[in-house]
Amino acid sequence: GAGVSQSPSNKVTEKGKDVELRCDPISGHTALYWYRQSLGQGLEFLIYFQGNSAPDKSGLPSDRFSAERTGGSVSTLTIQRTQQEDSAVYLCASRYRLGGFDTQYFGPGTRLTVL
Amino acid sequence: SQQGEEDPQALSIQEGENATMNCSYKTSINNLQWYRQNSGRGLVHLILIRSNEREKHSGRLRVTLDTSKKSSSLLITASRAADTASYFCATDAKGSSNTGKLIFGQGTTLQVKP
Repeated sequence: GAGVSQSPSNKVTEKGKDVELRCDPISGHTALYWYRQSLGQGLEFLIYFQGNSAPDKSGLPSDRFSAERTGGSVSTLTIQRTQQEDSAVYLCASRYRLGGFDTQYFGPGTRLTVL
Repeated sequence: SQQGEEDPQALSIQEGENATMNCSYKTSINNLQWYRQNSGRGLVHLILIRSNEREKHSGRLRVTLDTSKKSSSLLITASRAADTASYFCATDAKGSSNTGKLIFGQGTTLQVKP
């Protein structure tokens, strides 16, 4: 079946511009996660969705970062007024349900470069 | 901040040899997982070991877990050039608001020379 997809695969933007990153999880997966991978910080958790609500936003690095999920499916991560330190690969993962011992399935990521 | 630490950071071996990577973590966990990443993009899930398990096998992979030492190891036997990748351990920490979020180690970069 189809896996997690993300778009765009690469995004180059200028400092100060806003960007939107999209994640299409595996159909039927209720839990969705965003992570960021950068050279200095490794892989970091950003935000977790259960359905359309986000009970854990603790990883968002600043108020310039926000995310939403609609219809229990697609999620969008928005970064406002981008800074050079936002350059990273943004990874999305989905999971069938919380609890149990199922795993998270990752998308290919969006590589964001802020000039 | 990252919970896990992995060693070695980089490993280079010849095809056919075994590769062992280690991971340490700091808090109590529900489970520990290993992922592979090629070319800095998507993560591929390899194996999950529960906190009450000590060893698990999957094909050429063997994972051990020692919760008393808060450590895990991943052994890849009879390595192939195609195993060249970065390998990450990730823990699903107990009490982390029960969100299932993963805390990743820094990763081990494995190079298998043909």
